[in-house]
Amino acid sequence: QSVLTQPPSVSAAPGQKVTISCSGSSSNIGNNYVSWFQQLPGTAPKLLIYENNKRPSGIPDRFSGFKSGTSATLGITGLQTGDEADYYCGTWDGSHMVFGGGTKLTVL
Amino acid sequence: EVQLLESGGGLIQPGGSLRLSCAASGFTFNNYAMSWVRRAPGKGLEWVSGIVGSGTRTFNADSVKGRFTISRDNSKETLHLQMNSLRSEDTAIYYCARGMGQERFVELDYWGQGTLVTVSS
Repeated sequence: QSVLTQPPSVSAAPGQKVTISCSGSSSNIGNNYVSWFQQLPGTAPKLLIYENNKRPSGIPDRFSGFKSGTSATLGITGLQTGDEADYYCGTWDGSHMVFGGGTKLTVL
Repeated sequence: EVQLLESGGGLIQPGGSLRLSCAASGFTFNNYAMSWVRRAPGKGLEWVSGIVGSGTRTFNADSVKGRFTISRDNSKETLHLQMNSLRSEDTAIYYCARGMGQERFVELDYWGQGTLVTVSS
């Protein structure tokens, strides 16, 4: 059971937009930056968003991040079949890093 | 080009020990914090341990405290994870990952391909 709560799954059609929520508390999201990671099947995780809303070079602007209070949200627009993956939020909590439980995105 | 290459995984009996290594290249190793992250079968990502760039401070998840030790050899640009008293629930793919700075553990911008650890009798 993670201290960061994500929906287990979300789905949307190609071309549509989807959002994935990440809910925490003042000990983690409320006072720390949030990152988002994508893990495609059989591959290593990839950093999508850092410091709540910044994209590393090479990450398309279809991916966006937002944080408010003790919650964060990942947004993906123009969905593609290649976006089907597990998505994780992550942040610092006291003395260690924590991940959310993960959200499986299905592009119908 | 940044590269991280893990090694040392394998099949080990419960209660046994294993040492994972991660060889880094393509960047100034001692300028970056490093972490170990694992994914157990059917479960999500779990951050295991982290070490600052200088190697002077380490952090561990509660699930591995007292059993796992992270270390680094900056002269050899290598990260290690010594795992003792292994349990079946430690079975997972273990990834090493680079933080974006000396003490950054949330912004993991480069990852290795992972090494599989299986704890079973």
